[in-house]
Formats: sequence, structure tokens, C-alpha cells
Amino acid sequence: DQQVKQNSPSLSVQEGRISILNCDYTNSMFDYFLWYKKYPAEGPTFLISISSIKDKNEDGRFTVFLNKSAKHLSLHIVPSQPGDSAVYFCAASPNYGGSQGNLIFGKGTKLSVKP
Amino acid sequence: NAGVMQNPRHLVRRRGQEARLRCSPMKGHSHVYWYRQLPEEGLKFMVYLQKENIIDESGMPKERFSAEFPKEGPSILRIQQVVRGDSAAYFCASSPPRATDTQYFGPGTRLTVL
Repeated sequence: DQQVKQNSPSLSVQEGRISILNCDYTNSMFDYFLWYKKYPAEGPTFLISISSIKDKNEDGRFTVFLNKSAKHLSLHIVPSQPGDSAVYFCAASPNYGGSQGNLIFGKGTKLSVKP
Repeated sequence: NAGVMQNPRHLVRRRGQEARLRCSPMKGHSHVYWYRQLPEEGLKFMVYLQKENIIDESGMPKERFSAEFPKEGPSILRIQQVVRGDSAAYFCASSPPRATDTQYFGPGTRLTVL
């Protein structure tokens, strides 16, 4: 039973346009969410996070939005660049600050940014 | 500041052999986590350790798998009597003492069981 779902296995976007990656979760106890980016044969790289007390967090070209009532979060990348092409994983944690350490990951969305 | 180090990067074992995967956390990090990724899947949590303590091993298979993080040296994930289904990428992550939610990952060890 998947607690974190990324329903789009892949996404293709033109360079310069906005990329929107979506993530849904089922457990209302999750209170901290993270996005990781992964290139082939490398480990996941932390991108951006958001706690449940916020609905938006921005870092440069990356913005994460959280809609707690819908149990939905999204990652916006604007403008998209070819170097953004990678697999993006959404992850959730059941505790913030006193975490058990158990991050629960979605299956990932493969983003392709075309020049 | 070096990142999380894992070795070996690739490991090939025959069925029944033992596999030892090593992880050195980032400097100043005292929390280590192990995850496994099967093909076309997300990462699955296995175990969370602090120095000399296992904090959460709820994701570890009951048999053949063990993990340790000694006072000195790297964290070790040990798989005894490997089977083909153990073939996967194994990732280690670490975090500093006061930010246990933001985990930084190593490059992974790709285990292939023949």
C-alpha cells in the first residue's frame, strides 16, 4: 500500500517552460516533505523541503507547494533547463525535529527537458 | 567537505555468499540510514542507526540482513547467503544531529547476485 504516490512516471517539457511534478500522500501524520533529484548511477540529491506549517517554499528556480487538505504537493521548476532532466522523487516524513528517520519515497517521475 | 561515501560502488556475488556494504557519513553527521531501490521502484527504508545503536530497523528483512554503526569506522550493511532477489541498489544517507529529516545520500552500491 503506497503512502506516497507519484502518478506520472514521466514528464517532457520544453526548455524555458515550467515543469510541474506532482505528489500525493495518504497519511495525515506526515508533516515534512522533501524533493530529491536523481541522475542515473548516482545517489539522490536533496533539492527542497517543506514542513506542514507552510504551504509554499521557494529556492531559486524551485518552488514546492503543499495542500494539506488535499494531501497533495507539487514541485515547480521555472524556467526548466536541460540539466534538470533527471528522476524526481517525492519523500515524506512522519515527524519533524524528532524524526524517526524513516523517509517514505514515491516511485519517482522522470523529467525530460528538451532544448 | 566530502559527501557521504559508499563502497564498493558495484558488488557481484554468487548465491549463498555474503555481501558487505560500507558507508561513511558526512563529517559531523551522526545519523545513518540505509535504503534499497529495486528496478523501477522508489527507495525503501531499511534501517536507521546512530553510533553503536540501532534506532529503527522496521524495514529490514527478518533474516540474513544486519546493520551496524560502530563507534569507530563506517556503517556496515551485511547480507548473508545472498539470493537473486537481493540484487538492487543500496543507498546510505546521513544527517546531522539536529536535522534528522534532511538526509544526504551517497552514490549507492549496486549489488548483483548471480
